[in-house]
Amino acid sequence: NAGVTQTPKFRVLKTGQSMTLLCAQDMNHEYMYWYRQDPGMGLRLIHYSVGEGTTAKGEVPDGYNVSRLKKQNFLLGLESAAPSQTSVYFCASGSGPSGYEQYFGPGTRLTVT
Amino acid sequence: DQQVKQNSPSLSVQEGRISILNCDYTNSMFDYFLWYKKYPAEGPTFLISISSIKDKNEDGRFTVFLNKSAKHLSLHIVPSQPGDSAVYFCAASAKPSNTGKLIFGQGTTLQVKP
Repeated sequence: NAGVTQTPKFRVLKTGQSMTLLCAQDMNHEYMYWYRQDPGMGLRLIHYSVGEGTTAKGEVPDGYNVSRLKKQNFLLGLESAAPSQTSVYFCASGSGPSGYEQYFGPGTRLTVT
Repeated sequence: DQQVKQNSPSLSVQEGRISILNCDYTNSMFDYFLWYKKYPAEGPTFLISISSIKDKNEDGRFTVFLNKSAKHLSLHIVPSQPGDSAVYFCAASAKPSNTGKLIFGQGTTLQVKP
């Protein structure tokens, strides 16, 4: 079991460029989440999904879009990157109400110049 | 509005001694609490949890205490080891939850000195 994987691990973007971060899980979890981690801010929820084909906004959704076309994949898109989106992005999955624990990927370090 | 707060950004302890990490929360609807551990360049990993119907949960060297009246939880690590050096996040889940969402604190960096 690979658990939760994220690609890419690192990326540098120029302001205004777009990119997609890919998250994949092999635990058959219904629920998936995208977080960003910034110094002194902890982990903040960007978007989440409670099942294939569903997405919802989290705490800091502005500037991001997501899609969950397949149960095992959760994509995070930045349409027009801004320096404020420089952060470390973590994907997580969980079984939802039947289990509170979330399992995290290794993260993607994104720098926007 | 920070619903889960870890007011100590960092903590340094000597190997073999006790480490106590603290977490405060404001939402009385939180019914489940978790601690995660994070090493540099890795994702957070689940460490230990506690339900609001309990006041203590123990797993080896790790014990979490919950004081509902004070809206406070703490993680005790005894004895502390250098490998425990990491960032520790507390997290909480509110009932009812059909989203599985967790609210995280800011994190506390623990350094265990040999």
